[in-house]
Amino acid sequence: NAGVTQTPKFQVLKTGQSMTLQCAQDMNHEYMSWYRQDPGMGLRLIHYSVGAGITDQGEVPNGYNVSRSTTEDFPLRLLSAAPSQTSVYFCASRLGQGVDTQYFGPGTRLTVL
Amino acid sequence: AQSVTQLGSHVSVSEGALVLLRCNYSSSVPPYLFWYVQYPNQGLQLLLKYTSAATLVKGINGFEAEFKKSETSFHLTKPSAHMSDAAEYFCAVSLYNQGGKLIFGQGTELSVKP
Repeated sequence: NAGVTQTPKFQVLKTGQSMTLQCAQDMNHEYMSWYRQDPGMGLRLIHYSVGAGITDQGEVPNGYNVSRSTTEDFPLRLLSAAPSQTSVYFCASRLGQGVDTQYFGPGTRLTVL
Repeated sequence: AQSVTQLGSHVSVSEGALVLLRCNYSSSVPPYLFWYVQYPNQGLQLLLKYTSAATLVKGINGFEAEFKKSETSFHLTKPSAHMSDAAEYFCAVSLYNQGGKLIFGQGTELSVKP
């Protein structure tokens, strides 16, 4: 199993550009999430999904869109990048709720100029 | 709503000393609690998790944590720090029927001095 994969690893954008961060998992997990990590703020939940076709907002959803057309993929779209979106983005997945372990991808480091 | 507070954004210990990283949670129902570790420029990996089977939970790399309901705490400890323990540590809480969300604390960076 590759686990949770993310592409790209690094990305530099200019303000106003759009892009999609890719996330895929091969563990047949129902639950997938996107987080952003900023110094001193831990991981903050952007969006999450409880299965194909079902998504919901987390703590900091503004400026981001998601969709979940398949169990495996959960892309995160930045509609119009802003410097405040400079961060490290992590995708994660877990089989179920409660006690199930959440597995993380290696992250995407995004810089918006 | 549930939340997690980690006391101390930076903790520094000497090699061989006790490691204590503090985590307090807020939840109206018994939560599931996790500790994750993040080494520099890497993703997060699970250290241990509380599943209600036992209040003292043992994890990888010699770490353990004790769930104390009366104190709403889940502090992480290791008897003897090693240089390789230097990393950032995150406490997280999950509730059943909350869409599989994990809510994370702010993180504690552990430094180990030789």
